[in-house]
Amino acid sequence: DIVLTQSPDTLSLSPGERATLSCRASQSLGSKLAWYQQKPGQAPRLLIYDAFNRATGIPARFSGSGSGTDFTLTISSLDPEDFAVYYCHQRGSWPPMTFGQGTRLEIK
Amino acid sequence: QMQLMESGGGVVRPGRSLRLSCTSSGFTFSTYAFHWVRQAPGKGLEWVAGIWHDGSNKYYADSVKGRFTVSKDNSNNTLYLLMNSLRGEDTAVYYCARAIDSTGDDAFDLWGQGTKVSISS
Repeated sequence: DIVLTQSPDTLSLSPGERATLSCRASQSLGSKLAWYQQKPGQAPRLLIYDAFNRATGIPARFSGSGSGTDFTLTISSLDPEDFAVYYCHQRGSWPPMTFGQGTRLEIK
Repeated sequence: QMQLMESGGGVVRPGRSLRLSCTSSGFTFSTYAFHWVRQAPGKGLEWVAGIWHDGSNKYYADSVKGRFTVSKDNSNNTLYLLMNSLRGEDTAVYYCARAIDSTGDDAFDLWGQGTKVSISS
């Protein structure tokens, strides 16, 4: 199974700052990686698919990059509504599909 | 408005069965593949099972293989997850999720609100 390792586990930043979240895969995924945002008590929401494509309705401040084993989600200027948990998700080799353990983005 | 809604969760004893349903609205259910994803209390996301748009192919996590069965009724716009021989480690919120691609080999662009399953004696 492909293991996804996200870093850091927790990121403390202030509104307006830039956030950089990392996801590293144990095997090459090509570009078959997605990012989701989850707020407490809510279902996950798709942000980025195929490494860099923004999903419908996602603000331009969210961007994805990377390929192979190293991927990054960048939020260019944090809005108060962006503080949540973020998960990466691979479909490079499945079953099983796997998720990273999550990065909690909290207000500093 | 495109929507998925899960139901069927509850509290059950170990070894018993439960069937979850996921009803859809606002889009053509039969053209999409679906997955089930679960989240144990305070934990991350775990993929459980996936099914092609026409139900012809199904995939399972090793942790549920042989105990869970995913199915899809395109005439009733409903996805199911039949869970047998339930264990404590199956306790979680279960989400149904729509895949962008009809074979399921894609990201999940629409999620239900989740249904809670608790296994307890």
